[in-house]
Amino acid sequence: QVQLQESGPGLVKPSQTLSLTCTVSGGSISSDGHYWSWIRQHPGKGLEWIGYIYYSGSTYYNPSLKSRLTISVDTSNSQFSLKLTSVTAADSAVYFCARRSQSILSYLDVWGQGTTVTVSS
Amino acid sequence: DIQMTQSPSSLSASVGDRVTITCRASQSISSYLHWYQQKPGKAPKLLMFGTSSLQSGVPSRFSGSGSGTEFTLTISSLQPEDFATYYCQQSYSSALTFGGGTTVEIK
Repeated sequence: QVQLQESGPGLVKPSQTLSLTCTVSGGSISSDGHYWSWIRQHPGKGLEWIGYIYYSGSTYYNPSLKSRLTISVDTSNSQFSLKLTSVTAADSAVYFCARRSQSILSYLDVWGQGTTVTVSS
Repeated sequence: DIQMTQSPSSLSASVGDRVTITCRASQSISSYLHWYQQKPGKAPKLLMFGTSSLQSGVPSRFSGSGSGTEFTLTISSLQPEDFATYYCQQSYSSALTFGGGTTVEIK
């Protein structure tokens, strides 16, 4: 059973870089067809897809975040990471990592528990 | 981006009620529509994929239908554990987008 676990600082200062890591256990991050995703949820709001990465390093980003976003993968440690630069209070949210299924339907079938990030001085 | 609009944004219902949630897409998304359930403080959980396929372990009282731009999630007989927020999500576009959510509350 694949499990995902987010980790990273819970507090980031404005204008700095938000860095989070998702560790994949119980399965291979290099399995064919799975993309590894980041999603966030602002307090009391809905879900916003951030982007995803394939184990080969191929990425796709939300156009609204693309200029500040980097998602990378470390297959040797079964981890993928998110870096979001020049953060503001608007980036305060719960950040989830999730697995996008192998299916062409591309649903998100496994989720991490989420980690809360607050942007504040 | 493909915009996803859910209605209603919230509803109150009683145990045993039949509940229907609607999700509309700003353009045709074929059957690339999925539903998630989220309880407070928890991660979303996949309920249904490809419009009408139940994820493993999800009770059969949940069903989905639709195609193109209009989709529905139906709970045939609401149970206490079903009180939660439900989100639709499209994957027709590589830029995934979610609906705004529908909160099902106890009447």
